[in-house]
Amino acid sequence: AQSVTQPDIHITVSEGASLELRCNYSYGATPYLFWYVQSPGQGLQLLLKYFSGDTLVQGIKGFEAEFKRSQSSFNLRKPSVHWSDAAEYFCAVGDPRAGNNRKLIWGLGTSLAVNP
Amino acid sequence: DAGVIQSPRHEVTEMGQEVTLRCKPISGHNSLFWYRQTMMRGLELLIYFNNNVPIDDSGMPEDRFSAKMPNASFSTLKIQPSEPRDSAVYFCASSPAWGVVGAKNIQYFGAGTRLSVL
Repeated sequence: AQSVTQPDIHITVSEGASLELRCNYSYGATPYLFWYVQSPGQGLQLLLKYFSGDTLVQGIKGFEAEFKRSQSSFNLRKPSVHWSDAAEYFCAVGDPRAGNNRKLIWGLGTSLAVNP
Repeated sequence: DAGVIQSPRHEVTEMGQEVTLRCKPISGHNSLFWYRQTMMRGLELLIYFNNNVPIDDSGMPEDRFSAKMPNASFSTLKIQPSEPRDSAVYFCASSPAWGVVGAKNIQYFGAGTRLSVL
């Protein structure tokens, strides 16, 4: 079955420290891959995406993610976390085949807290 | 562009009342999604439309929930009668047509409607 796993429910880091949020997926082929961020009281905002090509992708707010096919992973990283990065982060996968299947499969999210 | 617009932002109602949530997708987008988010169950897809046609409603909890998309610029999610367990944040998202360059299932979310059923 298709699924997305975010192993860490909650992570706390100190401001200025590096960050890595994990995402593993189970899918029949290499899917489209996404990271979204949800700040408190807000909707979800796209951070970055992977469709094909270079496996290291850059996103907004200084985030990057690396697709590793052998590990079925798409981990999100940031070299230096800011207090404003405290939010909920969601990993999602989509069907790379054109057609009517527009659904995304979502992970349960990782809540990030940032200590001053 | 104004983004996906949802109304109301907050809704407080009493058990048994009808609730209607509204969504205006981004102009030109042809897919629309309704999600529910709770602490217990996370983000759940309720239903999605392509070109105003419901494609997958398998996530709709029960017959009390219904969704319509009468045209490309408007959709509603209705709960009748509402129950306390329906309390959640409901999100609407839209997505461009597949053929749009760079689209590829990217979803754009509204700010959500926080529903409290007392």
